[in-house]
Amino acid sequence: DIQMTQSPSAMSASVRDRVTITCRASQDITKYLAWFQQKPGKVPERLIYSASILQNGVPSRFSGTGFGTEFTLTISSLQPEDFGTYYCLQYSGYPHTFGQGTKLEIK
Amino acid sequence: QAQLVQSGAEVKKPGASVRISCEASGYVFPNYYVHWVRQAPGQGLEWMGVINPSSRIRTYAQKFQGRVSVTRDTATTIVYLELNSLTSDDTAVYFCAREAGMDVWGQGTTVTVSS
Repeated sequence: DIQMTQSPSAMSASVRDRVTITCRASQDITKYLAWFQQKPGKVPERLIYSASILQNGVPSRFSGTGFGTEFTLTISSLQPEDFGTYYCLQYSGYPHTFGQGTKLEIK
Repeated sequence: QAQLVQSGAEVKKPGASVRISCEASGYVFPNYYVHWVRQAPGQGLEWMGVINPSSRIRTYAQKFQGRVSVTRDTATTIVYLELNSLTSDDTAVYFCAREAGMDVWGQGTTVTVSS
């Protein structure tokens, strides 16, 4: 199975900060990575797919980069509504696997 | 627009089985795989399995092999998840999601396993 190692597991940042979350795959997944935001009690929402393509309707302050085994989600200017838990997902092969999540708190 | 609607919450006793439905609408159903993901209380997301609605070929996570089944109704756009031999560790919210990149999710179904 492909392991997805996500970091950090938790973080706190201020409004307008630049935030970076990283996912590392245990083997090459090329571009088959997605990022999700989940707020408490809600359904996960996709932000990014194919490593760098912004989902329709997602604010442009979110961006994704990476290929192969190293991937990054960046929020260029953190907004109050960006709190929640962020997950990466590799869908290169079965079983699909999620990162452990990054809980983002707004200071 | 594409939508997945799941069945309601379930409460089961240990050892029982549960079947959850996921009804697709707003898109060409055979063209998109349907995945199942679960989330235990306070925990992360866990992929369980997938079905190709066109071929009915299914793939499951090794962890659930032998006690999980994902099927589709022949006459409708409904996909089912059945999980057998339930234990308290199966208490979770279960989601269906469309395609590998999971662009559309159902609203979630809470399954509580308790004696």
